[in-house]
Amino acid sequence: AQSVTQPDIHITVSEGASLELRCNYSYGATPYLFWYVQSPGQGLQLLLKYFSGDTLVQGIKGFEAEFKRSQSSFNLRKPSVHWSDAAEYFCAVGYFSNDYKLSFGAGTTVTVRA
Amino acid sequence: EAGVAQSPRYKIIEKRQSVAFWCNPISGHATLYWYQQILGQGPKLLIQFQNNGVVDDSQLPKDRFSAERLKGVDSTLKIQPAKLEDSAVYLCASSLEPGWVNEQYFGPGTRLTVT
Repeated sequence: AQSVTQPDIHITVSEGASLELRCNYSYGATPYLFWYVQSPGQGLQLLLKYFSGDTLVQGIKGFEAEFKRSQSSFNLRKPSVHWSDAAEYFCAVGYFSNDYKLSFGAGTTVTVRA
Repeated sequence: EAGVAQSPRYKIIEKRQSVAFWCNPISGHATLYWYQQILGQGPKLLIQFQNNGVVDDSQLPKDRFSAERLKGVDSTLKIQPAKLEDSAVYLCASSLEPGWVNEQYFGPGTRLTVT
């Protein structure tokens, strides 16, 4: 069965500092991996996705993620955070059961301090 | 391009009452999803439609939850009767077609509080 673990429930980072959010997945087949962001009062927005190929994936808003098969990880990074990056971030793995579906982690809340 | 619309944005009801949520997907999107997001958890898929047909409702508590997508456009999700554990944000999402290459676009959600 597929599952996603986000070990950090809450992270606080200073504006301008770097950010890394951890994601570990469990899936028996080739993983299709996603990162979504949810700002307060808004729906989820796709930041980036990995299907195959280059293990370093670039996304929107200056985010990138690296797929490491040996570690079953897909960590999200941003070199310099802005106050507007304060949000909840969800990692997800795509799987097939009757049709294509997403299984989400529990999320990591990011607080940005001035 | 207009996004996924949902209403109401907030709803407070007492247990054993009924409630309905409405979703209008992005125009032309054939696939529609309803997710339940309980506080502190990630979204969990409740039901998936392809046009006006149900693809998967295996995670839908059918004794109290129902959903329909008449005419393959708008969708409604109903809970009757509601329980305290139904308190959550209900998210609607749509995509052009099923499959991971097709991005799911999410609405802002309906926050349900059951007292």
